[in-house]
Amino acid sequence: KAGVTQTPRYLIKTRGQQVTLSCSPISGHRSVSWYQQTPGQGLQFLFEYFSETQRNKGNFPGRFSGRQFSNSRSEMNVSTLELGDSALYLCASSLGLVQNIQYFGAGTRLSVL
Amino acid sequence: QKEVEQNSGPLSVPEGAIASLNCTYSDRGSQSFFWYRQYSGKSPELIMSIYSNGDKEDGRFTAQLNKASQYVSLLIRDSQPSDSATYLCAADASGGYQKVTFGTGTKLQVIP
Repeated sequence: KAGVTQTPRYLIKTRGQQVTLSCSPISGHRSVSWYQQTPGQGLQFLFEYFSETQRNKGNFPGRFSGRQFSNSRSEMNVSTLELGDSALYLCASSLGLVQNIQYFGAGTRLSVL
Repeated sequence: QKEVEQNSGPLSVPEGAIASLNCTYSDRGSQSFFWYRQYSGKSPELIMSIYSNGDKEDGRFTAQLNKASQYVSLLIRDSQPSDSATYLCAADASGGYQKVTFGTGTKLQVIP
């Protein structure tokens, strides 16, 4: 069974640009969560999608948005990039029910110059 | 702001010893707790999940949960150099499906 796939693995952008990251969950998983990981802040929850609906949202500005498609694949978009957006962005998938375990993808490392 | 707190370490233990990692959480409604291991430059991988008070054992790993004290721990017996990694404690949010809060992690170093 294939794991969680994130593309691209690495991205370099400049301030003001926008970026779209993609996540394909484990087959059969309907929930996709996104996290930002930085050395200083650890893993911060961005949002979670379940059956194409945003079910939970963390404390990030509106520049961070996402969506989920009918096949459960999810995309995350960051507009007007700032230097502080440089981070590892992790996607995790699960069945989406209470107590379900999340499985992480390898992540997308974003560098904003 | 609901929080999960861990000592950042590093925690250094000799090979073969027991490593004890601790975590406290602030959300009394949390029901599910997880320990993930993250090697440098890699993504987190699940080691243990625990949902009920008490101990849960899986091989060399034992997770302990005390909901009254809002305390979760992970014991690693017979520590190996390959156990050297950052260990992340996580708890779900009360009333929020799949909204999981992570601690900042404890770095474990196992000295050969």
